[in-house]
Amino acid sequence: AQTVTQSQPEMSVQEAETVTLSCTYDTSESDYYLFWYKQPPSRQMILVIRQEAYKQQNATENRFSVNFQKAAKSFSLKISDSQLGDAAMYFCAYSIGDDKIIFGKGTRLHILP
Amino acid sequence: KAGVTQTPRYLIKTRGQQVTLSCSPISGHRSVSWYQQTPGQGLQFLFEYFSETQRNKGNFPGRFSGRQFSNSRSEMNVSTLELGDSALYLCASSPGVWETQYFGPGTRLLVL
Repeated sequence: AQTVTQSQPEMSVQEAETVTLSCTYDTSESDYYLFWYKQPPSRQMILVIRQEAYKQQNATENRFSVNFQKAAKSFSLKISDSQLGDAAMYFCAYSIGDDKIIFGKGTRLHILP
Repeated sequence: KAGVTQTPRYLIKTRGQQVTLSCSPISGHRSVSWYQQTPGQGLQFLFEYFSETQRNKGNFPGRFSGRQFSNSRSEMNVSTLELGDSALYLCASSPGVWETQYFGPGTRLLVL
């Protein structure tokens, strides 16, 4: 069965520093998608970054980048130059198509001024 | 503890019909949220219920409604279905409104 594991329930980082959130997953599929979602208290889910498994190049989006290690089934999110607005719950998710998406339990990120 | 359960898992409807989806949260969880997942729009928040009250609502038309029962189970209703309502509908529960959510497997709705 596919699973997504986020081993860090909570993390803190100083403003302007860099932080890495870890995510591992388990699957027997070769083609799939991985996501990082940011969830503020409003419960909206904001897509931070998306990675197709067939692409070896790590996805980046401004201050957000991932380290995708397919063989190790690892998909960590790096946030550079952390800002107060980055404080949120971050979910790692895995999908093999439209019918299924599996979320990790989330990592609550605190930004210290 | 059993996880979040959603029924049915798959559903096929035609345009103009209405549909009701059900979500049973993890035991002890009082907050239930609903999301719509589509390839084009990604994951969008529909609404959140806590103690039978809607406390948060996303930007969806009035055709989308929900409710929560005293046992925290929640239902979501979509009336006058449109083709664009075809999506995976996810339910998530949490102990309280500011706490981490646990997602269910989703209900796949296909509107023909």
